[in-house]
Amino acid sequence: NAGVTQTPKFQVLKTGQSMTLQCAQDMNHNSMYWYRQDPGMGLRLIYYSASEGTTDKGEVPNGYNVSRLNKREFSLRLESAAPSQTSVYFCASSDHPGLAKSTDTQYFGPGTRLTVL
Amino acid sequence: KQEVTQIPAALSVPEGENLVLNCSFTDSAIYNLQWFRQDPGKGLTSLLLIQSSQREQTSGRLNASLDKSSGRSTLYIAASQPGDSATYLCAVRPLPGETSGSRLTFGEGTQLTVNP
Repeated sequence: NAGVTQTPKFQVLKTGQSMTLQCAQDMNHNSMYWYRQDPGMGLRLIYYSASEGTTDKGEVPNGYNVSRLNKREFSLRLESAAPSQTSVYFCASSDHPGLAKSTDTQYFGPGTRLTVL
Repeated sequence: KQEVTQIPAALSVPEGENLVLNCSFTDSAIYNLQWFRQDPGKGLTSLLLIQSSQREQTSGRLNASLDKSSGRSTLYIAASQPGDSATYLCAVRPLPGETSGSRLTFGEGTQLTVNP
């Protein structure tokens, strides 16, 4: 099992450009998440999808959109990148906590390091 | 709003020492608490998860405790090794059914260096 995979690993954008960060998991998890990690701010939740077909805003959703394409894939889109969106982006997945034998542990991808000039 | 604080921000110890990392949270209405490890340039790896009804969890040389009423958790690492050098983060999950759903609130982490 590859676990949680993210592409690309690194990206440099100019202000105003758009891009989509891709995330896929092969653990048959129901829930998926997008976080950003910034020095002095810790990890903050951008959006999450509790199950296929649903998405909800997290703590810092402004400037982002998400798509839960299917159970495996959850993408994050920056429509018009800004320097404030320079960060490391992590995707994570977990079982639905209501399932029997759910560990509720979140499994993280390796991250995408995004720089917006 | 839940806030999670980790003290100290950085810690350097000699190999073999036992150490304790601290995590505190402001809202005791949590579902569970997790400790993660993050190596430089890598993602997070879950170490231990403590349900709100539990007092502690153990995995090898790691022991995590939870005192929900006081809003505190500790991660105890026994006989530390250079390979333990990493950033350790704690995160709390709110009760199910609230609008915050499955979201985790993270602390900023403690950067641990174990010197040979």
